[in-house]
Amino acid sequence: GQQVMQIPQYQHVQEGEDFTTYCNSSTTLSNIQWYKQRPGGHPVFLIQLVKSGEVKKQKRLTFQFGEAKKNSSLHITATQTTDVGTYFCAGKVDYGGSQGNLIFGKGTKLSVKP
Amino acid sequence: DSGVTQTPKHLITATGQRVTLRCSPRSGDLSVYWYQQSLDQGLQFLIHYYNGEERAKGNILERFSAQQFPDLHSELNLSSLELGDSALYFCASSVDPTGRGYEQYFGPGTRLTVT
Repeated sequence: GQQVMQIPQYQHVQEGEDFTTYCNSSTTLSNIQWYKQRPGGHPVFLIQLVKSGEVKKQKRLTFQFGEAKKNSSLHITATQTTDVGTYFCAGKVDYGGSQGNLIFGKGTKLSVKP
Repeated sequence: DSGVTQTPKHLITATGQRVTLRCSPRSGDLSVYWYQQSLDQGLQFLIHYYNGEERAKGNILERFSAQQFPDLHSELNLSSLELGDSALYFCASSVDPTGRGYEQYFGPGTRLTVT
């Protein structure tokens, strides 16, 4: 079935280092969403990307959607301990008008050492 | 606080039993989604309801069923429980009728432990 692959599964960084997680799909996505789940918490929506090649920034976070709409990335500059959590990408397959559900990647668990 | 409520927070039951998980969406949201999150796993989409009608099914076992009531709250029924059904079950809601393009607001989850 349709899958959204996310790498790496885990990332341990020193506070102040940068962090990137990548999301890949074998088929074209109509859009991609990113969520963050803090330890013991629930996923919280961060952003949605819709257009080919789109780049959006939220403070230290930069989100990109690939030109082919098959991949995406989240980059965090100068990580802080508050960035700890699991970051999920979630994509919707473009069925050309019919409905589709959101397919989540397995997430990248980020730990930050102070 | 996302505005989505789920009860109970924790549930411990034995194999072979049946349980019901309840979700109330954010005010104004007609779509409800159910997800299963196992240890070190991503979020597995189970089912999507919009205004009382089933819209999409994911990897939902035949032992599981769901419904959305006229007041828009939803229930997920899990029967003939197995040890492997132990997981965190999330409910999410959105304004989106298609499940395609709007953010989803997740509830706090119900942690199910089957012993």
